[in-house]
Amino acid sequence: SQTIHQWPATLVQPVGSPLSLECTVEGTSNPNLYWYRQAAGRGLQLLFYSVGIGQISSEVPQNLSASRPQDRQFILSSKKLLLSDSGFYLCAWSPLSGTVNFEAFFGQGTRLTVV
Amino acid sequence: AQSVSQHNHHVILSEAASLELGCNYSYGGTVNLFWYVQYPGQHLQLLLKYFSGDPLVKGIKGFEAEFIKSKFSFNLRKPSVQWSDTAEYFCAVNAGQLWNTPLVFGKGTRLSVIA
Repeated sequence: SQTIHQWPATLVQPVGSPLSLECTVEGTSNPNLYWYRQAAGRGLQLLFYSVGIGQISSEVPQNLSASRPQDRQFILSSKKLLLSDSGFYLCAWSPLSGTVNFEAFFGQGTRLTVV
Repeated sequence: AQSVSQHNHHVILSEAASLELGCNYSYGGTVNLFWYVQYPGQHLQLLLKYFSGDPLVKGIKGFEAEFIKSKFSFNLRKPSVQWSDTAEYFCAVNAGQLWNTPLVFGKGTRLSVIA
């Protein structure tokens, strides 16, 4: 069966420090991968999605970037964190098209607090 | 681009009361529709999904949702809520015939069930 791992679960970082959140998926090949940010009262905001290695689509221009160095690895990064980057970050995967009817499976999330 | 509106930010119900959470989307083409639930301290889980066919969809834990195309709606219902249904509920949509389009979520509705 497929599983998704996301770490760390919680992170406290000072303003101006770099960020690296990692997400890996097991048990599937060529998944679509997503980074969402969840803020209270604002729902899930799609940040990035990837349909293949090195292919990243950015939905919201901001202080963050994403990379997909391997098929089942998706990394969210920042060179210098801002206070406004605090939030709950969720990684998700879905089956690659072959069927357009899919659902997304979510990781446990990372609670990031920038201080 | 698709968007999703969930009109109720916070709903408070007594046990055994009936539930209906509103969800409206904006997109002119074929859509896939989803309801996800996030129980306190847990990750997002799929409650139910609609791709095609019968517009009344039944999900886990006694939930159902009805797709009304003319109203661009996909409201979630449960005839009798339990305390354990306390959670945050998210409606989501993606374009049904576009390759690899990500899920777009509403802002969520927090449900509190009281004894």
